[in-house]
Amino acid sequence: EDQVTQSPEALRLQEGESSSLNCSYTVSGLRGLFWYRQDPGKGPEFLFTLYSAGEEKEKERLKATLTKKESFLHITAPKPEDSATYLCALDYNQGGKLIFGQGTELSVKP
Amino acid sequence: DAGITQSPRYKITETGRQVTLMCHQTWSHSYMFWYRQDLGHGLRLIYYSAAADITDKGEVPDGYVVSRSKTENFPLTLESATRSQTSVYFCASREFTDTQYFGPGTRLTVL
Repeated sequence: EDQVTQSPEALRLQEGESSSLNCSYTVSGLRGLFWYRQDPGKGPEFLFTLYSAGEEKEKERLKATLTKKESFLHITAPKPEDSATYLCALDYNQGGKLIFGQGTELSVKP
Repeated sequence: DAGITQSPRYKITETGRQVTLMCHQTWSHSYMFWYRQDLGHGLRLIYYSAAADITDKGEVPDGYVVSRSKTENFPLTLESATRSQTSVYFCASREFTDTQYFGPGTRLTVL
C-alpha cells in the first residue's frame, strides 16, 4: 500500500541542539517530495521541493535530503522561532494530488 | 494582491445552515484543492479540481459541494452544516508537478 510516514510525531529540542526529521515513503513513480512548515493557526508554508535521490536543498538552518525511500529535514542549531509543525508531501501518479504525512511537531526551547 | 486568499477567515454557524467558503488565486493555476485539518487527522482532501468545470472527490467529500466556473475561484459549500464539520479549512492551488501553495485557512465552528 502506498503511504508516507513522518517520524517522530513530536520532537523537543534545546536551542542549538541539532536533529533530523524523517519522512519515509513506499510509493512508486515519485515525481517530487515537498516539505512545508506550518505555524499554529496558519496555512502550510512551502520550504523545499526534491525531485530525485541524492538531491539536497538548504535554507538557513534547514537542509532537506532525499533517498529512494526517505527524506530527511536536518535542523542545525535550531532557534525557538523554528518551532512549528513540519509536513512532507509526495507527488506520485495521483493526478496532481499530493499525499501528506501526519507531520512532526517541533518545539525548540531557549 | 498576488497569491491565494480565503474568506471568511472565521465563521460561526448553526447546524443545518448552508455555508460557503470562498477561495481565490491569482496565479491561474490549473489545480485547486480543499482540505480540512483536525487534531489527530492531519490534512484531509475534501475535493479538488484539475481545471474549470472539472472537479473530483477527495478522501472526505460527504456533506460538501464544490464548483469551479472560473479558473481563479473554487468555492466550497456545506449544504447543511453538522457539528462534525467544525474544522479548519485550507484551500490550495498548484500547476501540475509544480509547488502547491496554501491559503491562510478558514476556521469554521458549527454550533
